[in-house]
Amino acid sequence: DIRMTQSPSSLSASVGDRVTISCRASQNIDNFLVWYQQKPGKAPKLLMYAVSTLESGVPSRFSASGSGTDFTLTITSLQPEDFATYYCYQSFTTPYTFGQGTKLEIK
Amino acid sequence: EVRLVQSGAELKKPGETLKISCMVSGNVFTDDWIGWVRQVPGKGLEWLGNIYPGDSDTVYNPSFQGQVTISADKSIATAYLHRSSLTASDTGIYYCARHRTGSGWYPDYWGQGTLVTVSS
Repeated sequence: DIRMTQSPSSLSASVGDRVTISCRASQNIDNFLVWYQQKPGKAPKLLMYAVSTLESGVPSRFSASGSGTDFTLTITSLQPEDFATYYCYQSFTTPYTFGQGTKLEIK
Repeated sequence: EVRLVQSGAELKKPGETLKISCMVSGNVFTDDWIGWVRQVPGKGLEWLGNIYPGDSDTVYNPSFQGQVTISADKSIATAYLHRSSLTASDTGIYYCARHRTGSGWYPDYWGQGTLVTVSS
């Protein structure tokens, strides 16, 4: 199985800050990388797919980059609604796998 | 818009059987892959498998092959997850999700989740 490792596991930031979350795959997944946002008690929400394609309706303060094994999600000018847990996911091959999550908390 | 509505919370005893449902609307049910993902405390999110209701083709995570069965009833646009011989480690939230294809398979629309508690 492809192991997805996120860092950091948790992160404290303030409204207006810029934050970056990293995701590393245990083998090359080309550009088959997806990002999700999950808030407590809710299902994950699709943010981005194919590394950097923004899902419809997702604000442009979210961006992402990477290829192969190393990927990043960046949120510029954090808003109160952005505090949540973020997961990366590889859609390259079965079994599809998620990162362990990065919890973004308010400082 | 695609909408997935799951059955309600379940409280089960070890060894019992689980069957949860996921009713899909807003799409052509037989044209989309529907999958199941579980969220277990301490183990994060795990993809269990997918089904294509058009022909009932299924793909399972090898870690769960033989442990879960995914099925679908086209007549009522509903997918099911079946798990027998439950143990406490099956406690968690189970989500169904429509899987978009094109850049691999990935969930785009999700159900609200079904909380499954396995306890004696």
